[in-house]
Amino acid sequence: EAGVAQSPRYKIIEKRQSVAFWCNPISGHATLYWYQQILGQGPKLLIQFQNNGVVDDSQLPKDRFSAERLKGVDSTLKIQPAKLEDSAVYLCASSSTGYTDTQYFGPGTRLTVL
Amino acid sequence: QKEVEQDPGPLSVPEGAIVSLNCTYSNSAFQYFMWYRQYSRKGPELLMYTYSSGNKEDGRFTAQVDKSSKYISLFIRDSQPSDSATYLCAMSLYNQGGKLIFGQGTELSVKP
Repeated sequence: EAGVAQSPRYKIIEKRQSVAFWCNPISGHATLYWYQQILGQGPKLLIQFQNNGVVDDSQLPKDRFSAERLKGVDSTLKIQPAKLEDSAVYLCASSSTGYTDTQYFGPGTRLTVL
Repeated sequence: QKEVEQDPGPLSVPEGAIVSLNCTYSNSAFQYFMWYRQYSRKGPELLMYTYSSGNKEDGRFTAQVDKSSKYISLFIRDSQPSDSATYLCAMSLYNQGGKLIFGQGTELSVKP
């Protein structure tokens, strides 16, 4: 079974530029999560999708971050404009149904904002 | 105060040692407790999962939960160099689906 795929793996941008990350969850998984992991910290949930609907986006900085999950499969996370403090690893995870099911994480996208 | 506190380490032990990793939490509503292992440049992977107080054993790993003290632990017996990684505790509320609250992680190094 293929795992969660993410691209790109690394991205370096200047502050105020925009950037987008892509995630392809495990086939058949209804729930998709985006986490932000700042160096030396644990992951923090940004947004949770159930199929193509948003379940929780309470910690998403909506003035600059946006995410979508079209057709309930792939998802993209966008930052516009980026700030220095957005430098982090952006992890995508998926689970079968979302209620205490195991979350499987992708390798992450490492973003550096200069 | 953070909801979940975890000693960041780093922790360095010789091969074969018993390792103890710990987290404390402040929200008594947490019902599900997990330990994830994260190798460098990789995503976290689930190691242990429990939802009740007491001990749960899986091979060389034992997860312990004490809800009265709001304290969870992971013990690794006969530690191996391949156990070198960052260990993250995570918790979730019964009624919030899969949202996980993570500790900051403990970096473990097992020396041959």
